[in-house]
Amino acid sequence: GAVVSQHPSRVICKSGTSVKIECRSLDFQATTMFWYRQFPKQSLMLMATSNEGSKATYEQGVEKDKFLINHASLTLSTLTVTSAHPEDSSFYICSALGREQFFGPGTRLTVL
Amino acid sequence: KQEVTQIPAALSVPEGENLVLNCSFTDSAIYNLQWFRQDPGKGLTSLLLIQSSQREQTSGRLNASLDKSSGRSTLYIAASQPGDSATYLCAVPGAGSYQLTFGKGTKLSVIP
Repeated sequence: GAVVSQHPSRVICKSGTSVKIECRSLDFQATTMFWYRQFPKQSLMLMATSNEGSKATYEQGVEKDKFLINHASLTLSTLTVTSAHPEDSSFYICSALGREQFFGPGTRLTVL
Repeated sequence: KQEVTQIPAALSVPEGENLVLNCSFTDSAIYNLQWFRQDPGKGLTSLLLIQSSQREQTSGRLNASLDKSSGRSTLYIAASQPGDSATYLCAVPGAGSYQLTFGKGTKLSVIP
């Protein structure tokens, strides 16, 4: 299957700082990428749909000013968690849409 | 709004047993259903994708079935191995979109 990478795989930061997570599709161009969040023992919840060259579409309850998404190229989408707080600690997973959704390995964010 | 339920939440079996994982969804207007595997702290690995026109798909020791009318899918694992231990998630796309709704998963432990 297609390969999607995420960087970093793990990040620990202090409360109030911003964190950027990158999602790359390595062997195909993805017009659409998705960002999910997974809390412990919970399923993946879609946060937003990222479309290359246009504004992201956010799910209800997800603050667009807190979770900034940029999809500037067909192989890269970034999620920036601004002014992170401990409640933002979670596992963030991206996917890239090809003939199906291909998922990245996830990023574990811990906010102290 | 689509809801996906997986039963059981956790399952422990001795090595070599055959087992069945269940997934149900509330809105039967789906065009496919996908089963994933997630290892602890890792991303998702796609196992099987069943199109709405299909009743089952097989890959090695895995067999997934789909009954759209009743809103159910099963994942059958034959001759389970300790390496099969993971959380298994099922997911369906929304109507007219590629956004996936996930179940909470079944955590499988295969005891040597």
